[in-house]
Amino acid sequence: KNQVEQSPQSLIILEGKNCTLQCNYTVSPFSNLRWYKQDTGRGPVSLTIMTFSENTKSNGRYTATLDADTKQSSLHITASQLSDSASYICVVEDGGDYKLSFGAGTTVTVRA
Amino acid sequence: EAQVTQNPRYLITVTGKKLTVTCSQNMNHEYMSWYRQDPGLGLRQIYYSMNVEVTDKGDVPEGYKVSRKEKRNFPLILESPSPNQTSLYFCASSRDRANYGYTFGSGTRLTVV
Repeated sequence: KNQVEQSPQSLIILEGKNCTLQCNYTVSPFSNLRWYKQDTGRGPVSLTIMTFSENTKSNGRYTATLDADTKQSSLHITASQLSDSASYICVVEDGGDYKLSFGAGTTVTVRA
Repeated sequence: EAQVTQNPRYLITVTGKKLTVTCSQNMNHEYMSWYRQDPGLGLRQIYYSMNVEVTDKGDVPEGYKVSRKEKRNFPLILESPSPNQTSLYFCASSRDRANYGYTFGSGTRLTVV
């Protein structure tokens, strides 16, 4: 069964600090990996999409990395802002049936 | 504005009373999908549609129905809701699943008592 595991489950950081979220997956065959940001009570919004051949992609202060060999990804948030407080979801697409497997998310709280 | 619109945002209903959650997208996307989100579980796919009149089951289809009579609309139907269908529901659409992201609606919080 395809699985996506995220860690930590939650974290609290001070405004201006950096943090890194982890995602491990077992999805095979692999198509792509996506990171989404979900504000409380809202739908997820896409941050990055990476295919097998890409090992890093940035979107402003968000930088995602992918190691397809070890089936690991990370999302790094630089110089965090209060608006970064949200749940961050790792999503992996199966290259066979194109189904998405969602991680349970990491809840980030940025405090002033 | 390109968007996926779900209605209603909040709904409280009683067990067994049929309900429909509507989903509409204005981006001419062929692919649409329904998910439910429960604490600690992540989003799980209920049903999806590759195009008009083409629908298929996701991972948790039991107790749900869908239809895709026109490209922009993809309603989710609960014929006889039960308390275990209390959840946060999201509709999503995509132009090309392999190369583009999914656009999600704002969600429908359903409570079945």
